[in-house]
Amino acid sequence: NAGVMQNPRHLVRRRGQEARLRCSPMKGHSHVYWYRQLPEEGLKFMVYLQKENIIDESGMPKERFSAEFPKEGPSILRIQQVVRGDSAAYFCASSPGLGGQETQYFGPGTRLLVL
Amino acid sequence: AQKITQTQPGMFVQEKEAVTLDCTYDTSDPSYGLFWYKQPSSGEMIFLIYQGSYDQQNATEGRYSLNFQKARKSANLVISASQLGDSAMYFCAMRERKSGGSNYKLTFGKGTLLTVNP
Repeated sequence: NAGVMQNPRHLVRRRGQEARLRCSPMKGHSHVYWYRQLPEEGLKFMVYLQKENIIDESGMPKERFSAEFPKEGPSILRIQQVVRGDSAAYFCASSPGLGGQETQYFGPGTRLLVL
Repeated sequence: AQKITQTQPGMFVQEKEAVTLDCTYDTSDPSYGLFWYKQPSSGEMIFLIYQGSYDQQNATEGRYSLNFQKARKSANLVISASQLGDSAMYFCAMRERKSGGSNYKLTFGKGTLLTVNP
């Protein structure tokens, strides 16, 4: 049973370029979360999505960042016109959406480096 | 105010000994969940253990147990019989579920770096 998959694992962009990070949730999971981890920090919540719906984007920067989870295909976190401060590890997590314990299982992360 | 506080930036333990990693939390929500995750140097986040606010007993998973003291708002992770492979960063996290809501986002502490010495 495959876990949460993220690609790419490492991504290098120059300032001003776009970064697209992909996340495929665990089989049977309908909830997806994105978190960002800056160096020496814990993970910070960015956005919570269900299929075709953004449920909570309170942790997303107001500009340049967007996320989607289409009916078919992976969830995408998109960062436009990247800046050096966007360099971080971006983690995707998924959960089954059944309530209760609702453990989130994390992918391996995408390490974004902005030159 | 921080929602999750991990006061130990780093901890050292001798192989085969037990170690306790501290975590205190702050919430006014009566229904919440507490999680511990392990992040080895390879970078992935590995779920270890969960404690619900209404659970009567402390959670246990193999060598991991959670010392849940609700009145003190603490949820310390105890690792028994430490192994070299336990060397990693450990994060405590909380999920609050607001009344009538369905938001499951996690709030993380800053982590504790555990080093197991041979």
